[in-house]
Amino acid sequence: GENVEQHPSTLSVQEGDSAVIKCTYSDSASNYFPWYKQELGKRPQLIIDIRSNVGEKKDQRIAVTLNKTAKHFSLHITETQPEDSAVYFCAPCGPLTSGTYKYIFGTGTRLKVLA
Amino acid sequence: GAVVSQHPSRVICKSGTSVKIECRSLDFQATTMFWYRQFPKKSLMLMATSNEGSKATYEQGVEKDKFLINHASLTLSTLTVTSAHPEDSSFYICSARDQTEKAFFGQGTRLTVV
Repeated sequence: GENVEQHPSTLSVQEGDSAVIKCTYSDSASNYFPWYKQELGKRPQLIIDIRSNVGEKKDQRIAVTLNKTAKHFSLHITETQPEDSAVYFCAPCGPLTSGTYKYIFGTGTRLKVLA
Repeated sequence: GAVVSQHPSRVICKSGTSVKIECRSLDFQATTMFWYRQFPKKSLMLMATSNEGSKATYEQGVEKDKFLINHASLTLSTLTVTSAHPEDSSFYICSARDQTEKAFFGQGTRLTVV
């Protein structure tokens, strides 16, 4: 089955610095690549996504880059703020032969932004 | 983003009883819904994929007779934990996929079996 790993598993940065989280996946059929942010006890929230025909996408302080050949995509957060502290998950998605889709969540990265 | 509502948010039940959890897409039609289980400080583990009007597809190791999934309409999927035991205590969370491939999550259900 699909194997999805994230690195690092924990990340501490000073407020204002940048944070980068990498997601490596195994299924070459994956064609949609979202990142989710989950605060303690809350539901995962979609923060940014990218499709396989695009190499980079940016939304204010957040960006995602995709290397489909190498099967990895990364989340970039610039000018980090304490409210960015949370657990971040990637969830690459690809079509199954049955026509349905499946999102497999990565192992998660706990980001702590130090004030 | 689209809104997905999950109920109940918390439930405590006695060992041996069954519990039903509902997942509704409020402002879009979801042909596919997903059920996940999350252990403390762990990732979301996909349990099953639910398609409207057809049988759910369960992940390896997930007992289909234990976790009954019904997706009777384009806006509602239910997960029933049958004959619950303390080891079934967990955070269960659903998500629904919209027409643009984005998946949105319900608020989750914390199940405690005593």
